[in-house]
Amino acid sequence: DTAVSQTPKYLVTQMGNDKSIKCEQNLGHDTMYWYKQDSKKFLKIMFSYNNKELIINETVPNRFSPKSPDKAHLNLHINSLELGDSAVYFCASSQVYVDTGELFFGEGSRLTVL
Amino acid sequence: SQQGEEDPQALSIQEGENATMNCSYKTSINNLQWYRQNSGRGLVHLILIRSNEREKHSGRLRVTLDTSKKSSSLLITASRAADTASYFCATAEPNYKLSFGAGTTVTVRA
Repeated sequence: DTAVSQTPKYLVTQMGNDKSIKCEQNLGHDTMYWYKQDSKKFLKIMFSYNNKELIINETVPNRFSPKSPDKAHLNLHINSLELGDSAVYFCASSQVYVDTGELFFGEGSRLTVL
Repeated sequence: SQQGEEDPQALSIQEGENATMNCSYKTSINNLQWYRQNSGRGLVHLILIRSNEREKHSGRLRVTLDTSKKSSSLLITASRAADTASYFCATAEPNYKLSFGAGTTVTVRA
């Protein structure tokens, strides 16, 4: 059973389009995250949700909008895609955010904007 | 801004040798964690060391933490080809944010 699953794994799209990445975790965790990994492998946190409530919102363009319908799901919608949005996006979850313990990562969604 | 920075950026060693990589950070932390990422895969948690701990072991992994120098090291002993991966340190800040660096790429030659 996959603990944290993301879809799609690969996404190729044109500049200006809107796209979504979905994430689901079956670990019963309270907290979910989106991270962006650039071409130099630097991993940067974008958002964090705890029990469907936004708790971390880094300096991310308004074109990125996370949505958590329930604590097992955290989706990422991106409007008006730009070339610089090309990256690998990772979803992750953890048990309780106040302990900042181990994160469980999905396999990543590689977004290529042409 | 980036919190943890790993050094070296890349490391190539022979199978059976030890691999050591370092992590430096800037602000106070609750804990420091190390993760491994195989090519094209997600990150996998290896070990967590709390700010009041100085050393921790897990199998062939040994982690040290020096909060006065704001640095940590990860030692992998008796490396194997399967240890080829990127290794990331992540710092857990008091605001509950876990910040990563850009990792150390380790290649273990057979």
